[in-house]
Amino acid sequence: GAGVSQSPRYKVAKRGQDVALRCDPISGHVSLFWYQQALGQGPEFLTYFQNEAQLDKSGLPSDRFFAERPEGSVSTLKIQRTQQEDSAVYLCASTQSPGGGYEQYFGPGTRLTVT
Amino acid sequence: KQEVTQIPAALSVPEGENLVLNCSFTDSAIYNLQWFRQDPGKGLTSLLLIQSSQREQTSGRLNASLDKSSGRSTLYIAASQPGDSATYLCAVSAPPETSGSRLTFGEGTQLTVNP
Repeated sequence: GAGVSQSPRYKVAKRGQDVALRCDPISGHVSLFWYQQALGQGPEFLTYFQNEAQLDKSGLPSDRFFAERPEGSVSTLKIQRTQQEDSAVYLCASTQSPGGGYEQYFGPGTRLTVT
Repeated sequence: KQEVTQIPAALSVPEGENLVLNCSFTDSAIYNLQWFRQDPGKGLTSLLLIQSSQREQTSGRLNASLDKSSGRSTLYIAASQPGDSATYLCAVSAPPETSGSRLTFGEGTQLTVNP
């Protein structure tokens, strides 16, 4: 595709609901990242995939957060039993190689509001 | 732990001015540094990528410099225009063996260019 796409763009969830956020990276990009951006802050790293392998999930804030990329392309970030503090913009980024030195391309983000 | 700081947090200038945005980072063991632009409600757009071995990069009216040893980068915007109004984010990349070069972001500088 032309760029990284994310869906939905906006999601309102009641506290306690489960949500699933989708990321479609640029075709052929090996590396995929999820970041969380709170209001007025810079994005913070959540997790990293190289193809289908989740190599780093150290940034996931709790065990309610789960991410997968089963076929090495589309990725889903799932949040179980959402809490108000989960309200943020969730950004997905991809890059063509894990070797470093390449730009990360970001999607438009999913704005999650937990009421 | 890498920390990135951006100064100033906000900046308002009249159209036509040249301006400098500052970024500093605590750990000089970076692989590269990226400057991004973020418009309200949108994702991140990559502006410039500087590899750790480089001193500067230029794109149109933008020039970014990197002094890795002192942990500093600057983004210079020449002849600012109202369309430059956005939040500018600086991000440093860890070495690729660290989570595929995950990014650590500053909190951004919110720029307003007044007509």
